[in-house]
Amino acid sequence: DQQVKQNSPSLSVQEGRISILNCDYTNSMFDYFLWYKKYPAEGPTFLISISSIKDKNEDGRFTVFLNKSAKHLSLHIVPSQPGDSAVYFCAANSGYALNFGKGTSLLVTP
Amino acid sequence: NAGVTQTPKFQVLKTGQSMTLQCAQDMNHNSMYWYRQDPGMGLRLIYYSASEGTTDKGEVPNGYNVSRLNKREFSLRLESAAPSQTSVYFCASSGTGGLRNTIYFGEGSWLTVV
Repeated sequence: DQQVKQNSPSLSVQEGRISILNCDYTNSMFDYFLWYKKYPAEGPTFLISISSIKDKNEDGRFTVFLNKSAKHLSLHIVPSQPGDSAVYFCAANSGYALNFGKGTSLLVTP
Repeated sequence: NAGVTQTPKFQVLKTGQSMTLQCAQDMNHNSMYWYRQDPGMGLRLIYYSASEGTTDKGEVPNGYNVSRLNKREFSLRLESAAPSQTSVYFCASSGTGGLRNTIYFGEGSWLTVV
């Protein structure tokens, strides 16, 4: 049973606009969340993370928001750039490894 | 800095053949992992090794075996390959502090079983 869900398989955004990628989780024991970015034919690379004691973490153009009561997190990219086009995976710490969502493919168009 | 290195990058196997995927990391990390990625399925954990000398099953271990040869190396073996094992395999590692440290992934190994 998928404990980390990314319900939008794809998202298309114009360059310069905001991209919002969403992630839901079911396990209330998860206490650390991460976003990974993946280009074709490459391994995933770490993007940004957030601990459950926070509700926001910001790193340059990337911000992750966590709503624990809703078991929901989102990744905001502002402004979006064509180089951001990739698959984004949400992941949660399950204690011994990471549980990944199925990914959202982001396309940023010029 | 090589990070996490996997070999081979591409492999085609016949059903029933065996093979070993090799993985090495040069970051002095304690923990290592093997994931597989299938279309529409995200990344699923096969096996992990929290430290040298220990290995444990993940979400999808059936049909696989692993060996943590030393702190640097963690291999994944398919004893009798099946078409359902056609996938992209990623090795990863993380340092002390477990998952609160970044997990670093290799570039992937594309395996096709015919």
